[in-house]
Amino acid sequence: AQKVTQAQTEISVVEKEDVTLDCVYETRDTTYYLFWYKQPPSGELVFLIRRNSFDEQNEISGRYSWNFQKSTSSFNFTITASQVVDSAVYFCALRETGFQKLVFGTGTRLLVSP
Amino acid sequence: DAGVTQSPTHLIKTRGQQVTLRCSPKSGHDTVSWYQQALGQGPQFIFQYYEEEERQRGNFPDRFSGHQFPNYSSELNVNALLLGDSALYLCASSRATGPAGGSQYFGPGTRLLVL
Repeated sequence: AQKVTQAQTEISVVEKEDVTLDCVYETRDTTYYLFWYKQPPSGELVFLIRRNSFDEQNEISGRYSWNFQKSTSSFNFTITASQVVDSAVYFCALRETGFQKLVFGTGTRLLVSP
Repeated sequence: DAGVTQSPTHLIKTRGQQVTLRCSPKSGHDTVSWYQQALGQGPQFIFQYYEEEERQRGNFPDRFSGHQFPNYSSELNVNALLLGDSALYLCASSRATGPAGGSQYFGPGTRLLVL
């Protein structure tokens, strides 16, 4: 069965701090895809990244970086030098090969204070 | 390049009524998925449409039905509304094939309140 766990319900930081959002997943499939989405107060889910299970290279995009480790079934997301505009709920999601649905975690609410 | 659009943005219905939500996919996308997001929860998969057919369905009752049109747009219908159907309904579009195939892009959602 597919499952995504985001143990951190809410994180509060002050602007310019670095913050890491944790994501742990469960799957019996050997090929799968992992995603991160951002949901600001407006409600729209904004796609941030997709990672294939066979590609364990870490990725950096501006202030965002992702650490994928198959050995620990984790796909963590770090924001460097956080900004107030980063305040949102962040969701990690999993999709197995052959299945179309995304399975989401319960989300982590990030609050960045000035 | 227009993103995923949904209508209406907000809707208020009473128990027992029926509702239809609409979604237009991102340009170049041929697959539409629907999700229900209750307050404080992650989105839950309802179903996905491709080539005008339901390709996969989540754990939702038959009161939830859908349709995809030849132009790839889609509708979600919910019959006999219950209070528990109050949620944000999200539509996501994707491309069935290609290097970015399967990456789902979401619309702004429709907030449904059932009284």
